[in-house]
Amino acid sequence: EDKVVQSPLSLVVHEGDTVTLNCSYEVTNFRSLLWYKQEKKAPTFLFMLTSSGIEKKSGRLSSILDKKELFSILNITATQTGDSAVYLCAVIYGGATNKLIFGTGTLLAVQP
Amino acid sequence: NAGVTQTPKFRILKIGQSMTLQCTQDMNHNYMYWYRQDPGMGLKLIYYSVGAGITDKGEVPNGYNVSRSTTEDFPLRLELAAPSQTSVYFCASSYPGTPSGTEAFFGQGTRLTVV
Repeated sequence: EDKVVQSPLSLVVHEGDTVTLNCSYEVTNFRSLLWYKQEKKAPTFLFMLTSSGIEKKSGRLSSILDKKELFSILNITATQTGDSAVYLCAVIYGGATNKLIFGTGTLLAVQP
Repeated sequence: NAGVTQTPKFRILKIGQSMTLQCTQDMNHNYMYWYRQDPGMGLKLIYYSVGAGITDKGEVPNGYNVSRSTTEDFPLRLELAAPSQTSVYFCASSYPGTPSGTEAFFGQGTRLTVV
């Protein structure tokens, strides 16, 4: 069965902390892995990863993919209260179908 | 740009009623998806479509139907609403782009309650 698993399910940190969110996957014909941030409404796109070992970075957020071990991590440094959200990991897989499957998400709460 | 538009934003249904959730996109994307998100959970794929006239089941298709008569529209039909279908529904679209795929763009969601 194709699946995406995220850990931890939830996390509470204080402003300024660094956090690491995990995503592992088991799918047929992997094509790419995506990270989204969801704040009460629609998910917003953060990163798309297709190659192992190449870090994607945007401000305080960064992510990397390991296609051998089938996982990805999302790092957030110097966290701020505005980082509080659900972080979703998704995988595009399959042949021509471009199926997109999501993990359960990690709920991050950043306290002042 | 409008992007992906869903209607309605909120709806309350009685058990056994039917309704259609509308989704339209103006980005000429081939791929469209319907997801549901239950409280504290991730998104579960209900149905998806790779182009007009082509649809396929996702992880949780039971109780739903879809059609894709045009590139722009991908309505989701609930025939006999059940309390288990209380959820937030998201429509999304993407385009083929590279062989690795591209990110999906989401509508703002429809919050459905079945009582």
